[in-house]
Amino acid sequence: DTAVSQTPKYLVTQMGNDKSIKCEQNLGHDTMYWYKQDSKKFLKIMFSYNNKELIINETVPNRFSPKSPDKAHLNLHINSLELGDSAVYFCASSPRLAGGGDTQYFGPGTRLTVL
Amino acid sequence: SQKIEQNSEALNIQEGKTATLTCNYTNYSPAYLQWYRQDPGRGPVFLLLIRENEKEKRKERLKVTFDTTLKQSLFHITASQPADSATYLCALPNDYKLSFGAGTTVTVRA
Repeated sequence: DTAVSQTPKYLVTQMGNDKSIKCEQNLGHDTMYWYKQDSKKFLKIMFSYNNKELIINETVPNRFSPKSPDKAHLNLHINSLELGDSAVYFCASSPRLAGGGDTQYFGPGTRLTVL
Repeated sequence: SQKIEQNSEALNIQEGKTATLTCNYTNYSPAYLQWYRQDPGRGPVFLLLIRENEKEKRKERLKVTFDTTLKQSLFHITASQPADSATYLCALPNDYKLSFGAGTTVTVRA
C-alpha cells in the first residue's frame, strides 16, 4: 500500500493554464505539506496543514491555493501557470507538526513543466 | 539570516570507503536534526534523527554526529556500496516546519 500518493506524476501544460495536483496519505497523520523542488534540487516548503487547518504559508504567490477536504487529502491548485512554476512538487505527511521530531513521509513527486 | 549548508554538491568515492558528509547551520537552535536520502525521480526517505543531547547515532552502516557548539552534523556511510549512491539531505526544525539543505550527491564507484 502506498503511504503518500500523488497524481499526476507528470504534468506538461502551457503558460496561463490552471492545473491541480492531488495528494492522499493513508498513514492516519494529522499534518500534510507541499514542497517545491527546483532545478537545483533545493527542497522548499510551501504550505502545511494540520487537521485541515492551514498552519504555514511560506509567502507563496496567491496563484497557488491549497485545499484540504479532510485530514487524509491535500490538493494544490495553481492558477495562471508561469514558466517559473516548472519544478517537482512533493506532498508529505507527518504524525504531528514538525518540531517534535516526527519523520516526514514524502510522496513520489509531480514533475510540472510549463511551456 | 538562517542558513543550512551541506559541504559539497557531489562526492565520488570508491566502494568500500567511508563517505563523510557535512551539514552546517547558522541562526538555528535545533532540538534535533534529521537526515534523508533521495534517489533520482523519487521523494526523500527518512534515515536518521539525532537530538541535541545526543553526540552520535548509528543505524547499520550509517553514523551521524551532532555538535551544537560547532553547529554541525556529520553523516558517515561506512563500507560504502554502489547502492548507497543517492542525494543526502539534512533537515532542521524551524517553527513547525523542516528546513532542508541543498543536499550532497554521493556516487559510489564499484
